[in-house]
Amino acid sequence: DQQVKQNSPSLSVQEGRISILNCDYTNSMFDYFLWYKKYPAEGPTFLISISSIKDKNEDGRFTVFLNKSAKHLSLHIVPSQPGDSAVYFCAARASGSRLTFGEGTQLTVNP
Amino acid sequence: DAGITQSPRYKITETGRQVTLMCHQTWSHSYMFWYRQDLGHGLRLIYYSAAADITDKGEVPDGYVVSRSKTENFPLTLESATRSQTSVYFCASSEWGQGAEAFFGQGTRLTVV
Repeated sequence: DQQVKQNSPSLSVQEGRISILNCDYTNSMFDYFLWYKKYPAEGPTFLISISSIKDKNEDGRFTVFLNKSAKHLSLHIVPSQPGDSAVYFCAARASGSRLTFGEGTQLTVNP
Repeated sequence: DAGITQSPRYKITETGRQVTLMCHQTWSHSYMFWYRQDLGHGLRLIYYSAAADITDKGEVPDGYVVSRSKTENFPLTLESATRSQTSVYFCASSEWGQGAEAFFGQGTRLTVV
């Protein structure tokens, strides 16, 4: 049972444009959501998070939106840069610190 | 060096062999985790530990054993390796509570032949 799903395995955008990565979840007990970025041959690194009491969190070029009624969150990157090319994982957590990850989306930003 | 380190980075082993992947963190985080990354599955939790001497199963624990005698170490053992355990393994740690994101090691690429 995949509780966190990223339905797009890949996304390609032009440099300077907006990248939108999507994530859906099924567990209504999730109360904290995170995005991780992963480059080849490296471990995932934390990018941005959002608590379930909020619907938006912004950090520089990165914004995460949470729609609890739809059980959907998205990561917006504006403007996209070639260095943003990586695999992005959505993750969610209920009580405690156990994270459940999605399958990942490979973002390619073309110069 | 501060952080979380995994060893070895790469390992090739034969079917049926026992192999242990090491993980060490210097932050004294309470929680430690083992994930495996496979194409189409993302990161799946194998085992996790809330504190020394406390471990629990994740989504895909079969064929794996963990221990945590010290807070900073969390080794993962494949008792009898199978080809289906060929994967990239990531160790992570985090502190307790909401807002405490997990920090990952660089990963161990394990190939079972």
